[in-house]
Amino acid sequence: AQSVAQPEDQVNVAEGNPLTVKCTYSVSGNPYLFWYVQYPNRGLQFLLKYITGDNLVKGSYGFEAEFNKSQTSFHLKKPSALVSDSALYFCAVRDMGTNAGKSTFGDGTTLTVKP
Amino acid sequence: SQTIHQWPATLVQPVGSPLSLECTVEGTSNPNLYWYRQAAGRGLQLLFYSVGIGQISSEVPQNLSASRPQDRQFILSSKKLLLSDSGFYLCAWSVSRSAFNSYNEQFFGPGTRLTVL
Repeated sequence: AQSVAQPEDQVNVAEGNPLTVKCTYSVSGNPYLFWYVQYPNRGLQFLLKYITGDNLVKGSYGFEAEFNKSQTSFHLKKPSALVSDSALYFCAVRDMGTNAGKSTFGDGTTLTVKP
Repeated sequence: SQTIHQWPATLVQPVGSPLSLECTVEGTSNPNLYWYRQAAGRGLQLLFYSVGIGQISSEVPQNLSASRPQDRQFILSSKKLLLSDSGFYLCAWSVSRSAFNSYNEQFFGPGTRLTVL
C-alpha cells in the first residue's frame, strides 16, 4: 500500500522569504514522487517529480524538492516566494510497481504568500 | 501538443437524475486515463482508471460508473445522482508505458463542478 501525508493544512509566508511545504510518504517499494499545484477552480498542474538519481529535483516556476529516503520525505521548497505562488499544493506518491501508474495524493496544503 | 478537455464546466442536477461527464484528450494515443473527485477543495479521490479501450478499473464502490468507448475518450456516468455525488470532478491522463513501471506525471483537465440538489 502507498500513502502520503501533508502535515500542514496551511502555510503562510511573506513575499521574498523562503517557503517549504512538507510531504512524507509510505510505500512498500521504491517511490516515484510528484508535486502538483492547483489554482482556484482549476485542474492540477505538474510541478516536478523524483524518479531516481539526484535527491534535489528542480521544477517549474523556481520550485525544487528534496528527496530524503531515510526520513521518507519530499518537501517542496522555493528560495524566494512570490504572491503569485499562493495556491493549493499536492504531493503524490506512486509505488514503482503500481499498476497503471496510480498515484496517491495528499490532502493538500494551502500556501498563502503575503506581500 | 497535448490537450485535455472536460465538459460541462459546471452542472447543477437534482437528486435522482442521471449524469454524464465527458473527457477527451488530443495529441497523444493510448493514454492512461483517470477520473478523480475532489471534495471541498482538498484531497483527490481516485474513482476510475483505464489503460485502454473498454478497460476500466474501479477504485471505490459507489454510485458512479465509467466507460472508455474510444482511445482518447473517458466518460463518467451515473443512473441516479445522490447528494453525496456533489464535488469537483477531474479527468487526467498520463503517457502509457509499461503498466508496471509508469513514472509519468499526470495532466489534468479543467474540471467539472457538480452540484446535486
